[in-house]
Amino acid sequence: AQSVTQPDIHITVSEGASLELRCNYSYGATPYLFWYVQSPGQGLQLLLKYFSGDTLVQGIKGFEAEFKRSQSSFNLRKPSVHWSDAAEYFCAVGAAGGSYIPTFGRGTSLIVHP
Amino acid sequence: KAGVTQTPRYLIKTRGQQVTLSCSPISGHRSVSWYQQTPGQGLQFLFEYFSETQRNKGNFPGRFSGRQFSNSRSEMNVSTLELGDSALYLCASSSTPDRYTDTQYFGPGTRLTVL
Repeated sequence: AQSVTQPDIHITVSEGASLELRCNYSYGATPYLFWYVQSPGQGLQLLLKYFSGDTLVQGIKGFEAEFKRSQSSFNLRKPSVHWSDAAEYFCAVGAAGGSYIPTFGRGTSLIVHP
Repeated sequence: KAGVTQTPRYLIKTRGQQVTLSCSPISGHRSVSWYQQTPGQGLQFLFEYFSETQRNKGNFPGRFSGRQFSNSRSEMNVSTLELGDSALYLCASSSTPDRYTDTQYFGPGTRLTVL
């Protein structure tokens, strides 16, 4: 069965500092991997996704993620955090093909200090 | 272009009642997925519809059901409500079910409280 672990429940960074959110997955084959952001009172927004090819994926809002098969990880990074990045971040894994049933991590809450 | 619309935004029900939530996808989108978000279980996939057909279903009891109409609008129904059904129910739409080429856009959710 597929699973996703986001080890950090909360992360606090100062505005302008770099950010890395961790995501580890368990899946038998090559997974589809996603990062979503959820602002308070809002639905999810897709930041980026990985299916194959280049293991460094660029997303919206200046985010990027790197797929490392050997470590079963798909960590999200941003070089300089803005106060508006404060939100909940979710990593998800899904199977390729027709039976797409995604599994989400429990989320990491990002707090940004001025 | 208008985003995904979910109605109602907030709902309070009592145990044993049933509830119907509605989702209007982005114009032209034919795929609709539903998710449940709770503090205890996190985000969980409920089901996905495409062109009025259920394509995938998550691990939820039969009390949870859904359907999609010919105009792509979707409804989900929960019968015999339990306290544990209190959650934010999210709907997402996309042009097709292909996650490789297509992006899901999420609505703001319906907050269901069961008393």
